[in-house]
Amino acid sequence: AQTVTQSQPEMSVQEAETVTLSCTYDTSESDYYLFWYKQPPSRQMILVIRQEAYKQQNATENRFSVNFQKAAKSFSLKISDSQLGDAAMYFCAYNNAGNMLTFGGGTRLMVKP
Amino acid sequence: EPEVTQTPSHQVTQMGQEVILRCVPISNHLYFYWYRQILGQKVEFLVSFYNNEISEKSEIFDDQFSVERPDGSNFTLKIRSTKLEDSAMYFCARSGRAAETQYFGPGTRLLVL
Repeated sequence: AQTVTQSQPEMSVQEAETVTLSCTYDTSESDYYLFWYKQPPSRQMILVIRQEAYKQQNATENRFSVNFQKAAKSFSLKISDSQLGDAAMYFCAYNNAGNMLTFGGGTRLMVKP
Repeated sequence: EPEVTQTPSHQVTQMGQEVILRCVPISNHLYFYWYRQILGQKVEFLVSFYNNEISEKSEIFDDQFSVERPDGSNFTLKIRSTKLEDSAMYFCARSGRAAETQYFGPGTRLLVL
């Protein structure tokens, strides 16, 4: 079974600074997809970014980018120019090209003004 | 990206009662999913539903649970005899194809007393 691990229960960043959230996963598959979801206090799950394992290029979405290391099974999220609205729980998730998403335990990000 | 709507947003029920949670896709997608998140814990996959059939389910999805799409539009999760431990946030998600990005609804907060 696939597992997803987020080793940082909490992270803190100063507004306008950069922060990196870590995620590692365990799989024997070669074709899969990785995601970061944001969960603000409203508890809605909002897609932040997606990475296909067959792509070597790291995905970027505005201030959000990933560092995908396939051999190391690592998928970190970098948030640049952090804003107060970025404060939330962030979940890393894995999809083995099938139906289910497997989520990590989450990282709570606090943004200090 | 259009998402899904979920009703009700909150539900309080007595232990042993049946509850039905509803998910209404905005666009005509074929793949639907239910996840749950117990307070303070990770998001867990329950079941995926494609072409009016269950395509995958987790160990959590036992005989107490059922899903259907009775009118070809609403996608429902029924919990037959609720237990205290069923208290959680229940999310519906949809995708255009398997392994595509899953977009989540706002969730239904279920409290079993």
